[in-house]
Amino acid sequence: GNSVTQMEGPVTLSEEAFLTINCTYTATGYPSLFWYVQYPGEGLQLLLKATKADDKGSNKGFEATYRKETTSFHLEKGSVQVSDSAVYFCALSASGAGSYQLTFGKGTKLSVIP
Amino acid sequence: GAGVSQSPRYKVAKRGQDVALRCDPISGHVSLFWYQQALGQGPEFLTYFQNEAQLDKSGLPSDRFFAERPEGSVSTLKIQRTQQEDSAVYLCASSLDRGTGGNTIYFGEGSWLTVV
Repeated sequence: GNSVTQMEGPVTLSEEAFLTINCTYTATGYPSLFWYVQYPGEGLQLLLKATKADDKGSNKGFEATYRKETTSFHLEKGSVQVSDSAVYFCALSASGAGSYQLTFGKGTKLSVIP
Repeated sequence: GAGVSQSPRYKVAKRGQDVALRCDPISGHVSLFWYQQALGQGPEFLTYFQNEAQLDKSGLPSDRFFAERPEGSVSTLKIQRTQQEDSAVYLCASSLDRGTGGNTIYFGEGSWLTVV
């Protein structure tokens, strides 16, 4: 079946530090890949997505590249801010039948300190 | 409203009680989803509606769980005879179209259920 494995947290960084959160996946075919973010007290929000190999998703300074050869979709940001403190979830939706269903990783909690 | 709205936000139920969780999707959204998120875990798929039709209920953990969307808008997730293992956040989400891969899915803030 489909699965997503992401770096366990929590991760604590100082403001302006470089962020990487690793995500690898197992899926048949050509899944779409997503990063969702959950800020304290809020619902899940789509951060970025990529729908085919070598696509780069980007938003709010975050980037992730769909690497089919390594089945990875690592999240990066060059300079984090305190406001980036949140839980980050990597997710996939399979191609074909059942493509509406998202499979999530366990989440990585990021805390950014001033 | 502008987003997906869920109620109640917090619910404490005694073991054996029935609970009903409500979801108001974004107006006009065809697809509606329910997910269950246990503490420290990622959300897990429960069920999917396209308009009023429940097309996939493969993720419902037992026959104590039942979901409906009778008029193709508001949905209710019902849990009968609640057990402690049902304690989780129940997330509702909606999507404008048929929810195929790559389309944006919008989540509500969730209903936090604690069974004591």
